[in-house]
Amino acid sequence: GQQLNQSPQSMFIQEGEDVSMNCTSSSIFNTWLWYKQDPGEGPVLLIALYKAGELTSNGRLTAQFGITRKDSFLNISASIPSDVGIYFCAGLPNTGNQFYFGTGTSLTVIP
Amino acid sequence: GAGVSQTPSNKVTEKGKYVELRCDPISGHTALYWYRQSLGQGPEFLIYFQGTGAADDSGLPNDRFFAVRPEGSVSTLKIQRTERGDSAVYLCASSLTGPNTEAFFGQGTRLTVV
Repeated sequence: GQQLNQSPQSMFIQEGEDVSMNCTSSSIFNTWLWYKQDPGEGPVLLIALYKAGELTSNGRLTAQFGITRKDSFLNISASIPSDVGIYFCAGLPNTGNQFYFGTGTSLTVIP
Repeated sequence: GAGVSQTPSNKVTEKGKYVELRCDPISGHTALYWYRQSLGQGPEFLIYFQGTGAADDSGLPNDRFFAVRPEGSVSTLKIQRTERGDSAVYLCASSLTGPNTEAFFGQGTRLTVV
């Protein structure tokens, strides 16, 4: 199946710092979704991207659909303790019905 | 309902038993997906329904796994002769019209096979 490389695997940052994470694929994707998952919960949708080059914000979160359609980026500005969790990218390839997920980025915010 | 609802939230079963996991999608969503998530991993696709029909079941690991959605709303994932390796969190998601629309997840069912 498709492989999504998500990095970094984990991050430890001070409250107030900005965060960047990314996801890359060997194939072209039509849609990118970014999710946050807390322990014992299902993934919660943060941002959806549908067009190459698209830049979309949701509060302090900004995500971009890479021009090559093989990557996506998520930035979190001015991190706060409730940003702690695991962030997953998910991509829908050019052909197919399933979203492929990255392995996740675990974010820890130190107050 | 307001969100995707999954029951039970936790299920412990003995090896070899049969289990059913239920998913109640967001009202009006025609697309429904089942995913499986192992510890420390991202969700892995199992099956996708469009309405009542399984449009893509390529992620089902073997013939012990089966899912239905008889009325195009609630779906049931069925696992026969459970094995310890089936232990995972089973996630259900729904989207309005299909894979190219935003998918919203339930809280998952944590299945433990002992």
